[in-house]
Amino acid sequence: DQQVKQNSPSLSVQEGRISILNCDYTNSMFDYFLWYKKYPAEGPTFLISISSIKDKNEDGRFTVFLNKSAKHLSLHIVPSQPGDSAVYFCAAMRGSARQLTFGSGTQLTVLP
Amino acid sequence: SAVISQKPSRDICQRGTSLTIQCQVDSQVTMMFWYRQQPGQSLTLIATANQGSEATYESGFVIDKFPISRPNLTFSTLTVSNMSPEDSSIYLCSVARGTGANVLTFGAGSRLTVL
Repeated sequence: DQQVKQNSPSLSVQEGRISILNCDYTNSMFDYFLWYKKYPAEGPTFLISISSIKDKNEDGRFTVFLNKSAKHLSLHIVPSQPGDSAVYFCAAMRGSARQLTFGSGTQLTVLP
Repeated sequence: SAVISQKPSRDICQRGTSLTIQCQVDSQVTMMFWYRQQPGQSLTLIATANQGSEATYESGFVIDKFPISRPNLTFSTLTVSNMSPEDSSIYLCSVARGTGANVLTFGAGSRLTVL
């Protein structure tokens, strides 16, 4: 039972354009959502998060949108840069447990 | 955020042997987690390492296969026992610090290859 799903294993965009990464979840008990970025041979690094009481959170070039009714969140990167090329994981957290349930990841490639 | 050191960073092991992975954090943390990332797949939580008590394992993971120690608030070990090629994965240590810490910080991971 995959509670957090990233249906696109890969995405390629041109430098300067917008990258949109999508994530769906099934467990309505999730109340905190995070995006992590992972480079090869490194651990995942935290990128941006959003609480379930919000529908948008912005941090520089990165914006996360949450649609609770659709159980869907997305990460927008504008403008995309070659250094953004990495695997992006969507993750969800429930209550105070602080255990993360991860999606399967999306490999983003930003072409110069 | 916390700085996490994991050892070894990678290893090649023979079938049937065991390997212990160490996770050292630069400050005291309340919660430590061990994750596994199998090739081409997502990160899966193995267990929560509790200081002073037994680890709490997720469904599909058992203590005999993945014994965990947590002797203090800055250190934990994960042992992968009686390894088979299916255990070839990246094993990651993760920490949360403080009651309001919703963001988990990860170590660089230990890449194990079992022949």
